[in-house]
Amino acid sequence: KAGVTQTPRYLIKTRGQQVTLSCSPISGHRSVSWYQQTPGQGLQFLFEYFSETQRNKGNFPGRFSGRQFSNSRSEMNVSTLELGDSALYLCASSLGGVYTEAFFGQGTRLTVV
Amino acid sequence: LAKTTQPISMDSYEGQEVNITCSHNNIATNDYITWYQQFPSQGPRFIIQGYKTKVTNEVASLFIPADRKSSTLSLPRVSLSDTAVYYCLVGEGGSNYKLTFGKGTLLTVNP
Repeated sequence: KAGVTQTPRYLIKTRGQQVTLSCSPISGHRSVSWYQQTPGQGLQFLFEYFSETQRNKGNFPGRFSGRQFSNSRSEMNVSTLELGDSALYLCASSLGGVYTEAFFGQGTRLTVV
Repeated sequence: LAKTTQPISMDSYEGQEVNITCSHNNIATNDYITWYQQFPSQGPRFIIQGYKTKVTNEVASLFIPADRKSSTLSLPRVSLSDTAVYYCLVGEGGSNYKLTFGKGTLLTVNP
């Protein structure tokens, strides 16, 4: 079956702009979680959505937001981009939530200039 | 907030058994321990998950002592393709749990 698909794979934005990233989970998976990965901070949890509801949130400012649609597809939005937002953004889907096996996409590489 | 500590890097040779230990002194009662593997430019891949004692699957074993303050991922007979970063993940329990990833251990398998 198809894996987790993230689009776009690469993105370059300017400071102050906003960006929307998309994640299509594995069919049948209702949980989608988002992570930020940087060389300095490593892998950090952003938030998790389950059946269109945000169920869990990490320690990120309100500029980072997300949503999940009825077909479980999810989008993540970052407003007022800062240089420090440059990172690899990973999406993962699972059947039952963050404690079950999560399947990750290949990520979106965001560069803020 | 359960903080995890892993070695930054480890070196091994093909065919050897590799053990990577993760410390999580403040692990909570409801927490599970999960290990992921990540190759460059790819998302992490689930390896194994456990709560206590020992768990084994087709690729690895996970040893968790009774106090659960640490865990050891054991990879039998590693090959060059096992060169990757390995992450220890502790999931905190409760209604507002947060996931804590370790910094990761870069395992380099040499021929």
